[in-house]
Amino acid sequence: DTEVTQTPKHLVMGMTNKKSLKCEQHMGHRAMYWYKQKAKKPPELMFVYSYEKLSINESVPSRFSPECPNSSLLNLHLHALQPEDSALYLCASSKEASLNQPQHFGDGTRLSIL
Amino acid sequence: RKEVEQDPGPFNVPEGATVAFNCTYSNSASQSFFWYRQDCRKEPKLLMSVYSSGNEDGRFTAQLNRASQYISLLIRDSKLSDSATYLCVVFKTSYDKVIFGPGTSLSVIP
Repeated sequence: DTEVTQTPKHLVMGMTNKKSLKCEQHMGHRAMYWYKQKAKKPPELMFVYSYEKLSINESVPSRFSPECPNSSLLNLHLHALQPEDSALYLCASSKEASLNQPQHFGDGTRLSIL
Repeated sequence: RKEVEQDPGPFNVPEGATVAFNCTYSNSASQSFFWYRQDCRKEPKLLMSVYSSGNEDGRFTAQLNRASQYISLLIRDSKLSDSATYLCVVFKTSYDKVIFGPGTSLSVIP
């Protein structure tokens, strides 16, 4: 079982819907990440939060809006998504957002946009 | 040229075989290296960190060659459960520049 928990496991939504993905960890990690992974491709970094502050936005469209309410939680708010946004969304955490700190992944939310 | 490259495979090997994967990176400033494995439709899981002096964890050995800018993973005595995609992960000079390689697919055959 992963120590990073993501909900929901699966999500199907229309292009006009608003939904949120949730991620939670209780390992005391201070860095959390969102990745997007398309089939047969490696994960691509979207956002990095360090000590609840957004550190990195890898040029992600504004229809994806991250939020870090506290050190254990990370949300990804979705609005007006496109069919090409269908993918596996992975959350990860690490002790610190620094080198030599491996990331631990949740098992992802499989998102389908109709 | 991609920043991190791996032979996509697939590597099909019999149980008990030894198999090696390489991963090359283009940025000489890259600092930290990891191997992850990812099973089909599952999340990536950390397999091992890669240290300059090389490191071993049971049947798995990781090596780093900074001069040639590659890392390797050796799996001895392959098990059926080793079947997965192996992802090379490279951190550049800061945590935000984390790059996953495209992955190498391994199938261990009975």
